[in-house]
Formats: sequence, C-alpha cells, structure tokens
Amino acid sequence: ETGVTQSPTHLIKTRGQQVTLRCSSQSGHNTVSWYQQALGQGPQFIFQYYREEENGRGNFPPRFSGLQFPNYSSELNVNALELDDSALYLCASSLARDTVLEAFFGQGTRLTVV
Amino acid sequence: QQQVKQSPQSLIVQKGGISIINCAYENTAFDYFPWYQQFPGKGPALLIAIRPDVSEKKEGRFTISFNKSAKQFSLHIMDSQPGDSATYFCAAPIDGGATNKLIFGTGTLLAVQP
Repeated sequence: ETGVTQSPTHLIKTRGQQVTLRCSSQSGHNTVSWYQQALGQGPQFIFQYYREEENGRGNFPPRFSGLQFPNYSSELNVNALELDDSALYLCASSLARDTVLEAFFGQGTRLTVV
Repeated sequence: QQQVKQSPQSLIVQKGGISIINCAYENTAFDYFPWYQQFPGKGPALLIAIRPDVSEKKEGRFTISFNKSAKQFSLHIMDSQPGDSATYFCAAPIDGGATNKLIFGTGTLLAVQP
C-alpha cells in the first residue's frame, strides 16, 4: 500500500448534487494531484496542490474545485454533478511539485452519478 | 491538450513470452516518460520511467526503449507471468519538461495466459 488514503471508496449521487472527496497524502508529502479516470480510460489530470496553493490545472470546468489543508490532506469538490462525472477519482501525493519524484496514488473513490 | 497515443488497446501473451506496448507523443519538450501499472480496484503504481537522455532502461524483466527521433517509447516485459496481468499506462508531463503532473495514454489491458 502507498500510504495515500481516499474516502469514501464508493459514492452514489444524483445529477445536480454536490460531492466532496477526501485524500490523505503519504506522510511527508506536500503535493497532491487529483485525476479523473473514466471506465476503460487513462487518468486525466484535474489539478495539483502544493503547500495549499493550486499548482496547475487540467481541462476541467470551474465546478471542479479543490482545497489543500495545512497537514497537506486535500479535498476535491464537484458542484452540479453531471452523469459524465461518473468515474474513479484518484489522488496522488508526492514529495515536491514540478519534479520527477514519484507520485503515489491512492485506491480512488468510485463516484456514480444517477 | 498534448496527447500520448498508446497501442495496442489489449494484448494476450503466453506465459514466458514477451509483452510489448507502444506509445507515441507529440511534444518534444517532454522530458520524463513513466509507465504505470494498474490492477483492478487499485490506483496506478509507477513501474519504470526514463528520461530522454538515454535510449533504454532496464529494471528486472521490464525495459523501456526510447526513440527520440521517432517520438516513440515502448515497454517490454520479458518472461511475462500471469501476475503481470494488469492495465499498463504510458504517461508524460502535461506541461512538457519533467514534472509529476501527468497526461496518460488510454491504457493497454495485458492478459498473460498460463
């Protein structure tokens, strides 16, 4: 196991609702990235947080937002859920930003929007 | 968004055989090329990575071959084992350079038959 924990593991929401996903990074890691992985696809980069500041964002609308806390844990918030938001949401933590140091992934949160 | 094109989509190999997965990229500013392995119900895990200053990197049964002029890189799994059955993703830095904010290929589902 990587030491990156995500909660909850599974979640079912209704279209239009809001959801918050949580990630605890590996001990000592100050950088957290979030990815969306649709069924049968590769992970897509949503955004990265470094020391509580956003450090880069992928091609996702503003209704996807995030937070990083002083203990480097992180939240991903999605407003106005759409059916296409159904996916596995992965967080990955690393020791630093903008390096090739390995990003360690959690097991993900499976979100189903009905 | 910059792309990383991966092939084949799926691969069946006999135990002891060689598995080969290919990726092509467009952005010549990419400076880091990792391969990730993902088992069902788990997050991706870094398998092996290469920088473009070398043409090949080997770790145990896993080898990355890199062709800078063709903008291609491939993963070779020698003596493939049933335990290697998983989905494999190539990746590259989303903004070019060498960072752990990644763009992933679409994945290759490898099945190693006993």
